[in-house]
Amino acid sequence: ELKVEQNPLFLSMQEGKNYTIYCNYSTTSDRLYWYRQDPGKSLESLFVLLSNGAVKQEGRLMASLDTKARLSTLHITAAVHDLSATYFCAGAETSGSRLTFGEGTQLTVNP
Amino acid sequence: DADVTQTPRNRITKTGKRIMLECSQTKGHDRMYWYRQDPGLGLRLIYYSFDVKDINKGEISDGYSVSRQAQAKFSLSLESAIPNQTALYFCATSETGTGGQPQHFGDGTRLSIL
Repeated sequence: ELKVEQNPLFLSMQEGKNYTIYCNYSTTSDRLYWYRQDPGKSLESLFVLLSNGAVKQEGRLMASLDTKARLSTLHITAAVHDLSATYFCAGAETSGSRLTFGEGTQLTVNP
Repeated sequence: DADVTQTPRNRITKTGKRIMLECSQTKGHDRMYWYRQDPGLGLRLIYYSFDVKDINKGEISDGYSVSRQAQAKFSLSLESAIPNQTALYFCATSETGTGGQPQHFGDGTRLSIL
């Protein structure tokens, strides 16, 4: 059974700083997803990572996947207030489409 | 209009009542899912359906049932609601295939059971 753990669960950072959110998973997962959720809102897909070494970037966010370490990271560069949200990673077991979500990382970017 | 629509958006009800949450989609996706979200627990899968004739239990299906009335409609029922089913419920859809297509979520139904 796939288990997904994120850390930190809460992150408060200043604008302009860099930080990384970590997502560890327990068994083989052939794809890893990152989602963003604003308070009281739905989940928005950010990245889909399909292979070892995959790296994707969108604006100030960059996601990577290391399947050997069973680790995905979401790196935030020069944070701005608009990035304040909860970020979830989710894994899918091999050849399935059921997702297992991490607990979420609540990010607050302070001016 | 939203691609994945959930109704109602908010519901307050009493213990023991039967409740139905509805989800409809215009994305043409075959696969549909119901999740619940609780603070600090992320999203947990309740039921999922890969096509109209397919229904599967997720990790927390006890106390819930579902119906896939058509490709576009997937409803979740709580037969006899209890307070610990108070949560935010999401419906999601995805395409069939192995290309890693992400799931697309509705806006959620906030359910409170007194």
